[in-house]
Amino acid sequence: EPEVTQTPSHQVTQMGQEVILRCVPISNHLYFYWYRQILGQKVEFLVSFYNNEISEKSEIFDDQFSVERPDGSNFTLKIRSTKLEDSAMYFCASTTGNNQPQHFGDGTRLSIL
Amino acid sequence: AQKVTQAQTEISVVEKEDVTLDCVYETRDTTYYLFWYKQPPSGELVFLIRRNSFDEQNEISGRYSWNFQKSTSSFNFTITASQVVDSAVYFCALSARANQAGTALIFGKGTTLSVSS
Repeated sequence: EPEVTQTPSHQVTQMGQEVILRCVPISNHLYFYWYRQILGQKVEFLVSFYNNEISEKSEIFDDQFSVERPDGSNFTLKIRSTKLEDSAMYFCASTTGNNQPQHFGDGTRLSIL
Repeated sequence: AQKVTQAQTEISVVEKEDVTLDCVYETRDTTYYLFWYKQPPSGELVFLIRRNSFDEQNEISGRYSWNFQKSTSSFNFTITASQVVDSAVYFCALSARANQAGTALIFGKGTTLSVSS
């Protein structure tokens, strides 16, 4: 069964550094999402992406964050200058259509030192 | 505003017991979708079910069943004859604003289910 693939599984970065989290959505999916989950807390929406542009973003997704679909397969989340509070599990998700079930990757655990 | 409340933080049961996980949602939209996801200890999020606001029929899938009641804004999840493998965090989620592309899932805080043998 097709899967959403995320790399790396774990990223350790110094505070203030830039980090790029990578995702390969399921190939025929059209909508792409990033969510984060701080340890022990609920899953929070960051941003959705459709037709090569951001569809919706949350208050968390400030100017330090950006997303890109550089080619036909990858979908990336960049955090420009990481802060301690960015430490979390970041999940990528994709779906075929609006309000269809979102299929999640296994996540990237981001640790900011 | 849209909101999902899972009042039960943790539930512990013994194998073969039935358990119900509660979910209450808030939205002003008339068209919306409700979901349940499972997060096992390995951390991934596994889709279990989707319901739309116009379909109030209950659903059963094996040991899992879901009860959707618009009158009480609830979408509860029951596991019958629980097993140790059911131990996980279960999240209820809401997606509304159906006409907007890329609508976000709004998650509840999750219920941690522990099933002991």
